Amino acid sequence: EAQVTQNPRYLITVTGKKLTVTCSQNMNHEYMSWYRQDPGLGLRQIYYSMNVEVTDKGDVPEGYKVSRKEKRNFPLILESPSPNQTSLYFCASSGPFQETQYFGPGTRLLVL
Amino acid sequence: DAKTTQPPSMDCAEGRAANLPCNHSTISGNEYVYWYRQIHSQGPQYIIHGLKNNETNEMASLIITEDRKSSTLILPHATLRDTAVYYCIVRVPNDYKLSFGAGTTVTVRA
Repeated sequence: EAQVTQNPRYLITVTGKKLTVTCSQNMNHEYMSWYRQDPGLGLRQIYYSMNVEVTDKGDVPEGYKVSRKEKRNFPLILESPSPNQTSLYFCASSGPFQETQYFGPGTRLLVL
Repeated sequence: DAKTTQPPSMDCAEGRAANLPCNHSTISGNEYVYWYRQIHSQGPQYIIHGLKNNETNEMASLIITEDRKSSTLILPHATLRDTAVYYCIVRVPNDYKLSFGAGTTVTVRA
């Protein structure tokens, strides 16, 4: 089954404790992206990657890092999480023309 | 800058057609109209997209006006499972950014 998976689905952590949210897709897609969703602010893009070793900032990249060492994986790294990064995070992927983006199930993060 | 305007909410009776409007008066010639929906904090789901011709798939129909300044997503027979936030987005297909606005919250009532 074609899908985008994210882990963990739920995470509670404390300020400053590094964490990684993994994202994996099995559709051989070149393009992958991370979004965060907050009430009243909609979905905002954090980072995206056009292919292996090619990443770029989205609209809200501050406080996040990403890497794309393999085509299927695109982890989101929070080096020093802060409470304002409490949010619902989505990973997405799409083929070469980005006609259709497939989204993962989401990761709900709470930073205390 | 908002590229699309949608009503914040609408209700629909189960079994009836749901017609969701979207205004995109500044759409450029190479931009497509895309529709996604998000069911209660799940990942957004692609529904349909089109350039200028009307489109239909197993989920919905998309009607784009001749001047392309507005469009309507039609869910032909709404069910309770269609209750969701529906997003209308205009973009060129190889644009790496996907900008979601506030969308329309559709509530299908029995």
